[in-house]
Amino acid sequence: EIVLTQSPGTLSLSPGERATLSCRASQSVNSNFLAWYQQKPGQTPRLLIYGASSRATGIPDRFSGSGSGTDFTLTISRLEPEDFAVYYCQQYGSSPFTFGPGTNVDIK
Amino acid sequence: QVQLQQWGAGLLKPSETLSLTCAVYGVSFNNYYWTWIRQPPGKGLEWIGEINHRGTTNYNPSLRSRVTISVDTSNNQFSLKLTSVTAADTALYYCAKEVPTGDDAFDTWGQGTVVTVSS
Repeated sequence: EIVLTQSPGTLSLSPGERATLSCRASQSVNSNFLAWYQQKPGQTPRLLIYGASSRATGIPDRFSGSGSGTDFTLTISRLEPEDFAVYYCQQYGSSPFTFGPGTNVDIK
Repeated sequence: QVQLQQWGAGLLKPSETLSLTCAVYGVSFNNYYWTWIRQPPGKGLEWIGEINHRGTTNYNPSLRSRVTISVDTSNNQFSLKLTSVTAADTALYYCAKEVPTGDDAFDTWGQGTVVTVSS
């Protein structure tokens, strides 16, 4: 099973700042099958990125994904007030598909 | 518009069987794998397993001995059964659909069902 580690656990930033979130896998993720989700309290997860760098339908271009192998990054270029949430990475290159523990992006 | 609507019993006693169903609307049921995911209170996400319209399944090994996912193509529904539940199975359970490219990333989620296991 591939274990995903996300860092930092909490990221405290102000609106307008750039957010850089890391997801590291315990072994290489096949075909860069890596996704990112946003979850706000009381809401279902929202898919942001799949295939490491492809934005899901309707996702603003301030969200971007990059990386390959074992190291992946989600970047939010300029934080909007609605972006403060928990972000999860997920690998689906190997079964069982696994999620990281999440990064909480909160308002500084 | 794609919608997933799920239902099932929310309060179980230890050793009982969890049973949830998810109905799919607005998309061709036969074109996708259909997935169950759970989230314990205050914790992260756990993939439970998936099924396609032919009934081909893929389960998380950590739950495989207790999980069955089945499909009803005549009603565009799929179901989850988890036997011998314990307090550790208390969670918010979601059904989900993969993206159209076939990637096992999930772009549409059911509303979630809170399942509590307590004596």
